[in-house]
Amino acid sequence: EVQLVESGGGLVQPGGSLRLSCAASGFTFSSYWMHWVRQAPGKGLVWVSRINSDGSTTSYADSVKGRFTISRDNAKNTLYLQMNSLRAEDTAVYYCALLYSRNTHFDCWGQGTLVTVSS
Amino acid sequence: DIQMTQSPSTLSASVGDRVTVTCRASQSVDSWLAWYQQKPGKAPKLLIYKASSLQSGVPSRFSGSGSGTEFTLTISSLQPDDFATYYCQQYNSYSRTFGQGTKVEIK
Repeated sequence: EVQLVESGGGLVQPGGSLRLSCAASGFTFSSYWMHWVRQAPGKGLVWVSRINSDGSTTSYADSVKGRFTISRDNAKNTLYLQMNSLRAEDTAVYYCALLYSRNTHFDCWGQGTLVTVSS
Repeated sequence: DIQMTQSPSTLSASVGDRVTVTCRASQSVDSWLAWYQQKPGKAPKLLIYKASSLQSGVPSRFSGSGSGTEFTLTISSLQPDDFATYYCQQYNSYSRTFGQGTKVEIK
C-alpha cells in the first residue's frame, strides 16, 4: 500500500524554524518527484514546493522562496521541508504529496501535519 | 506563473441535481489538468486527470472536459457523498497551481 506519513509540525514563534518530514512506503520513492502542499485553516490548497527524483532540481512558490528548502533522502525514503523565518501566514496543514503528472500515473497524499506560527 | 480561477466559489444543490464547476487558466495548460475532491479534515482525492480521464475507483457520475484554458467538472446526478469542496490543479509547468476551490453545499 502506498503511504505517506508527515511529522514535525507544531507551534513555533514568528521568525522561528521547523523541519517537516514525510516517510514514504509502498512504492519506489527514489523514482518519483515529490511535492509539499499547504492549506491554511478554512482556506484552499496552495502548492508550496517540489523536488525531482534525485533531488537535483527544486521549485518553490513565490511566497516561500528563500525561506523554505525542500530536500530528500532516497536511502531513507524520506522527504523534508526546512522552514525558516516563519510568519503567521505560514500557519497551515502541510501535506506531503506524490501528485499525478505526465510521468507519474498515480496520486497519493499524506494525512497532513499542522504548523502554527504564533507568539 | 499560471493562475487558475474557479467558479462559482460556492454552489448550493440538491441530491439528484446536475452540477457543473468551471476552471479557467491564465494561459494554456493543454490538457494537463486534474480535479480533486476534499472533505473536511481529509486529504484531497484525485477524481479526474488529463482533463477528462476518470481516476480508477471514481464513480462514473463524475466527468471532466476542456482543454487549453477552459475546463469543467460535471457531476451528473449529485449524491449525498458528493457534498465537498472541489479543486482544479494544473500540471503543465514545473510548479503547480490550484484553483481557489468550489464548495458544493446542500440546498
